[in-house]
Amino acid sequence: DSGVTQTPKHLITATGQRVTLRCSPRSGDLSVYWYQQSLDQGLQFLIQYYNGEERAKGNILERFSAQQFPDLHSELNLSSLELGDSALYFCASSVAYVSGLNTGELFFGEGSRLTVL
Amino acid sequence: GNSVTQMEGPVTLSEEAFLTINCTYTATGYPSLFWYVQYPGEGLQLLLKATKADDKGSNKGFEATYRKETTSFHLEKGSVQVSDSAVYFCALNAAQGVYSSASKIIFGSGTRLSIRP
Repeated sequence: DSGVTQTPKHLITATGQRVTLRCSPRSGDLSVYWYQQSLDQGLQFLIQYYNGEERAKGNILERFSAQQFPDLHSELNLSSLELGDSALYFCASSVAYVSGLNTGELFFGEGSRLTVL
Repeated sequence: GNSVTQMEGPVTLSEEAFLTINCTYTATGYPSLFWYVQYPGEGLQLLLKATKADDKGSNKGFEATYRKETTSFHLEKGSVQVSDSAVYFCALNAAQGVYSSASKIIFGSGTRLSIRP
């Protein structure tokens, strides 16, 4: 058990709809990352938050948005869903620093599997 | 930009065989390098890491050496077991400076490993 909790584990919805995925990081971790894993695209970095603020952005579509709340949990919002958005969405957390250095070591949740029909 | 290229799978070996999974990277600066493993139905977990050139990361019999001159971080294990069957991901931390809270952990496409008894 990594200590990172993601809900829901599975979600089936229709094209054009909007969904919210939730992530609770490990206790004490300030940094949250979102990744999309699909069969043909591998593991794609979407976005990173640190202590409530966006810090790094990857290939995140404009239809997608995320935020990190004061209690450090994070939500990924996916809107105007398309068939191609079907994927496994992972959240990961990290302490971000050890002795002042950026470690880059991530702890992953089990993922939320989104199916768009 | 930053990227990771790893050998395509699937790789199928017999138990006790020698394993090599190749990984090369492109990055500015001096990224930290990682191997993550994903067992069926689970999220990714860190297998080993190296933070500077010539460092060797090791864990559970797996090893990888950070080679700056060849920009490589190949994963090796001398004698694989059936329990090593999983998908292996090479990754780098394209941090925005070692003291920064911003990270882009970039993953390769993954290599599926299957071990026959």
